[in-house]
Amino acid sequence: SAVISQKPSRDICQRGTSLTIQCQVDSQVTMMFWYRQQPGQSLTLIATANQGSEATYESGFVIDKFPISRPNLTFSTLTVSNMSPEDSSIYLCSVEGAYNEAFFGQGTRLTVV
Amino acid sequence: GQSLEQPSEVTAVEGAIVQINCTYQTSGFYGLSWYQQHDGGAPTFLSYNALDGLEETGRFSSFLSRSDSYGYLLLQELQMKDSASYFCAVSSGAGSYQLTFGKGTKLSVIP
Repeated sequence: SAVISQKPSRDICQRGTSLTIQCQVDSQVTMMFWYRQQPGQSLTLIATANQGSEATYESGFVIDKFPISRPNLTFSTLTVSNMSPEDSSIYLCSVEGAYNEAFFGQGTRLTVV
Repeated sequence: GQSLEQPSEVTAVEGAIVQINCTYQTSGFYGLSWYQQHDGGAPTFLSYNALDGLEETGRFSSFLSRSDSYGYLLLQELQMKDSASYFCAVSSGAGSYQLTFGKGTKLSVIP
C-alpha cells in the first residue's frame, strides 16, 4: 500500500487568493491524480500528473485555474488560483496501487470566504 | 462520457446483509471499483472487478456483469462501523487510471 501525506488538511482563504496543496507519497509512482469532492458529493477527477510532462486536465478544468507541478516521482502540488466561494471543496490526491486500487490522501478541506 | 447510477441512501440493521447496486454507461471500460468513505475521511479501496463474476474479501463481496453494465457491492454481517458512503467507480484506463465515480450511497446501519 501507499502512504500519502497531504497538506494542509484544511484552510480558510480569502477570495482572489491562491492556495497550493502538497502531496507526498512514500514510494515512487508514475501517475498522481487530483480530485475534487464537494461536500456530500462524488469525487471528480481534475487532472492526471506525470513526472516530467504537463498534467492532463479533464473537461471543465484548466491549467490557469489549477496549475499542477510534478517535480519528481514522489511529490506533486495542486494550486487553486484566484479562488472564489465556488472553489470551496475537498481536494484529494491519489496514486495507483499494484492491484488496481487507488490510494488517497486525507484531503484538503478548503473554504473560500 | 461516463455516468454511474447508484442509490443515494440505504438503511440496514446491524447483522443483516445489504446490497448496493451500480449501473454504468461508459466509453471505454477496464473495471469497476468500490470505495468506502467515512464522514471526514479519505476514500478507501474495497474491491475491483475487471471480469464478470463475484469477488469476495471477508465480509464484502463485489459482483460485475459487463454485458449488463451492472455491478453490486454486498456487505454481510453488518456492523455499526460500516455506516459510511460507498462509491462505485469505473476505470477508463488500466487499473485505477482515470476513475469516474458514482454519486455515492450513504449506508446507515441501525441497531
